[in-house]
Amino acid sequence: DGGITQSPKYLFRKEGQNVTLSCEQNLNHDAMYWYRQDPGQGLRLIYYSQIVNDFQKGDIAEGYSVSREKKESFPLTVTSAQKNPTAFYLCASFDRVPPNQPQHFGDGTRLSIL
Amino acid sequence: AQKITQTQPGMFVQEKEAVTLDCTYDTSDQSYGLFWYKQPSSGEMIFLIYQGSYDEQNATEGRYSLNFQKARKSANLVISASQLGDSAMYFCAMREGQVTSGSRLTFGEGTQLTVNP
Repeated sequence: DGGITQSPKYLFRKEGQNVTLSCEQNLNHDAMYWYRQDPGQGLRLIYYSQIVNDFQKGDIAEGYSVSREKKESFPLTVTSAQKNPTAFYLCASFDRVPPNQPQHFGDGTRLSIL
Repeated sequence: AQKITQTQPGMFVQEKEAVTLDCTYDTSDQSYGLFWYKQPSSGEMIFLIYQGSYDEQNATEGRYSLNFQKARKSANLVISASQLGDSAMYFCAMREGQVTSGSRLTFGEGTQLTVNP
């Protein structure tokens, strides 16, 4: 079945450490997105990519980095510069045809500080 | 300014009754799309229903319908015949402008719905 796979489901980060969250999709979608969700709040856009080897900052990109070397993969690195990384991270993908298509989401990664 | 406003942090409904979750939006674009997602406690985001700004009919998907009032800029979700499994967080989201590969969604803060037996 087509879908989005995020791993790991749970991740712990030590002080000063960079960690990478994986997102893989087999939906053949061009666009991919990373969101952050804090408890009891909505989703905020971190980064998005419309096409391979291209990506744009979202609303809260500071302390994060991404790459898009393959269409199906869009990993997110939470760097040591992100001082408050504890949150739920969701990856999504999107195909603009037809126009009423929703974004499809993975099951998320919960990141905590040790 | 908030682009998506969900004014009900929490809502309660009796099983088998209908419930309306409010959503108002702010945009100057003529072309936009409105989405509702359900997020159970496990965290995944489940797409429920879509309404395009040019759609003349209110969207319906099974027990879900969208009360779209364009002049008021509101897109309320109506869940009929509530079930215990409907207990979850519900998010309203908007896509502004024409659909492109880089289309972004703006999410509201969500409404936590609890269905009581």
